[in-house]
Amino acid sequence: DIVMTQSPDSLAVSLGERATINCKSSQSILYSSNNKNCLAWYQQKPGQPPKLLISWTSTRESGVPDRFSGSGSGTDFTLTISSLQAEDVAVYYCQQYYSHILTFGGGTKVEIK
Amino acid sequence: EVQLVESGGGLVQPGGSLRLSCAASGFTFSNHWMHWVRQTPGKGLVWVSFIKTDETSTDYADSVKGRFTISRDNAKNTLFLQMNSLSADDTAVYYCARNTPNDYWGQGVLVTVSS
Repeated sequence: DIVMTQSPDSLAVSLGERATINCKSSQSILYSSNNKNCLAWYQQKPGQPPKLLISWTSTRESGVPDRFSGSGSGTDFTLTISSLQAEDVAVYYCQQYYSHILTFGGGTKVEIK
Repeated sequence: EVQLVESGGGLVQPGGSLRLSCAASGFTFSNHWMHWVRQTPGKGLVWVSFIKTDETSTDYADSVKGRFTISRDNAKNTLFLQMNSLSADDTAVYYCARNTPNDYWGQGVLVTVSS
């Protein structure tokens, strides 16, 4: 199975500041048909199911604020929250979907400093 | 509005069985792959199983292979997960989720395996 490794485990950022979460895959997750990486990011708030934020490394889902952005290539990927808002406090997970055996990173808890 | 509503969870003794259901509405259920994902309280997300649109293909995490069976009834817009030989390690919130990647999730149902 493809192993997804996230860092850091937790992150405290001041309101309005940038938050950066990293995710590394144990092998290439590049889909040859569209030359895009099969990498998604999810946000999970307490007591709620995960919410898909970004797919194909950098494509935001409808309604996701543009302060959320995804980037990366090869086996290294990043989720950036450009200006942290109070409502962004959550746990964030990366996921590879290159294999139908989906695997998630361990999660990064984002809090307000 | 897309809705996924899980049911069938609860407390079960080790070695017991449960059948989870996920009722889908607001979209053409038969056109979408479906997944089960579980989350141990306070821990991360673990994929459990998936099923293609017409049940021609399914797969399972190694930890549940041979014990869990995923199925679907496209006429009733419902996804199922039959869980047998349950152990404490299967205690988790179980989510059904649509598509790959998972664009819609249910609210989840708690399964507790304990004597």
